[in-house]
Amino acid sequence: SYELTQPPSVSVSPGQTARITCSGDALPKQYAYWYQQKPGQAPVLVIYKDSERPSGIPERFSGSSSGTTVTLTISGVQAEDEADYYCQSADSSGTLWVFGGGTKLTVL
Amino acid sequence: EVQLVESGGGLVKPGGSLRLSCAASGFTFSSYSMNWVRQAPGKGLEWVSSISSSSSYIYYADSVKGRFTISRDNAKNSLYLQMNSLRAEDTAVYYCARSEGYVDAFDIWGQGTMVTVSS
Repeated sequence: SYELTQPPSVSVSPGQTARITCSGDALPKQYAYWYQQKPGQAPVLVIYKDSERPSGIPERFSGSSSGTTVTLTISGVQAEDEADYYCQSADSSGTLWVFGGGTKLTVL
Repeated sequence: EVQLVESGGGLVKPGGSLRLSCAASGFTFSSYSMNWVRQAPGKGLEWVSSISSSSSYIYYADSVKGRFTISRDNAKNSLYLQMNSLRAEDTAVYYCARSEGYVDAFDIWGQGTMVTVSS
């Protein structure tokens, strides 16, 4: 079965740049999406179609893609960005969705 | 206000059944694909099932195929998940989420409903 691989944790100090990667064999053919989830809350979409930002999401959130890896970048990290982040994409057939295992972002 | 509200969760014994509902408001429900995603306690997100706007396309994760059935009633702005032959590993918060097309972002999520499978 298809899998997306994320690092379990990333730690940065306030004001620094956090980069969270997500790897999967079908990523060159399928868009990736990123979600932020804070404790006790539902996920929130922060990046769609690899690099597009929904309205209301701060400009410090950006996404990029290169081959089988996509990256969520948070520039000038703030304390409020501390959360779990999940990547999502479809398998090569485009019929089955997969989420990455999630990355816990800690703001030191 | 665009909103999704899940209901129907609860405690059920292994082998039992449960039907989840998701009530949509604030948007044209019949124009969107809908999805179920679950999250076991302390674990990550797991996609469960998706249904296209007219119910023409329906897909399931392997972990629930043959046990769960997704459906929708566009006249009632509602999404459903019939869960049969429940197992302990189905214990999770179940979220419904909308997407503009089938292969598109899950842009709006409900608050989730908890399903506990235990004897």
